[in-house]
Amino acid sequence: DAGITQSPRHKVTETGTPVTLRCHQTENHRYMYWYRQDPGHGLRLIHYSYGVKDTDKGEVSDGYSVSRSKTEDFLLTLESATSSQTSVYFCAIGDSNSRFYGELFFGEGSRLTVL
Amino acid sequence: GQQLNQSPQSMFIQEGEDVSMNCTSSSIFNTWLWYKQDPGEGPVLLIALYKAGELTSNGRLTAQFGITRKDSFLNISASIPSDVGIYFCAGFDGGYQKVTFGTGTKLQVIP
Repeated sequence: DAGITQSPRHKVTETGTPVTLRCHQTENHRYMYWYRQDPGHGLRLIHYSYGVKDTDKGEVSDGYSVSRSKTEDFLLTLESATSSQTSVYFCAIGDSNSRFYGELFFGEGSRLTVL
Repeated sequence: GQQLNQSPQSMFIQEGEDVSMNCTSSSIFNTWLWYKQDPGEGPVLLIALYKAGELTSNGRLTAQFGITRKDSFLNISASIPSDVGIYFCAGFDGGYQKVTFGTGTKLQVIP
């Protein structure tokens, strides 16, 4: 168990409203990631973090911002949600102690519906 | 943005059959990973490959790191119902600690 908790697990919101998804980890891992999963597109990286206040963009970062003020929390914010952001969002952590270099551990996902 | 292309996109097979899927990239990776996602859960690592040409097995699963470092292959032998799920390839960029995933292959097994 990698100790990753995502919240909320399900959310329905309206176009134009702000939304924040939270990823919480209990084991002080340095690397954290946000992906979105859509049929036909697989998993696409939105943003990732390599330490407190150190973040970088992924391949589909437009419309999203992130913050990491504490090691254990990585927040994903949709400033003004659009229907194209309806998706399942996964948080992942990179464990430097993993048996396998490059292995990520995933949370259970947050399903977001924007009406 | 960069993404890895997997084929086939989906497949139905009979229980007991062997399965092959592949993954191609426009970029070189020095590490290839294969993940499986069960319905309603996050992906879990199956196999990791670190050397071009490498062939690695994990039970009934065998994966290969392509010689060009731009592709990888996964084979599942003697499929069983619990093999159902989505299989993702992924390339790992150790310099930036970024993992780029493929488009996924959805596998369904008919008992």
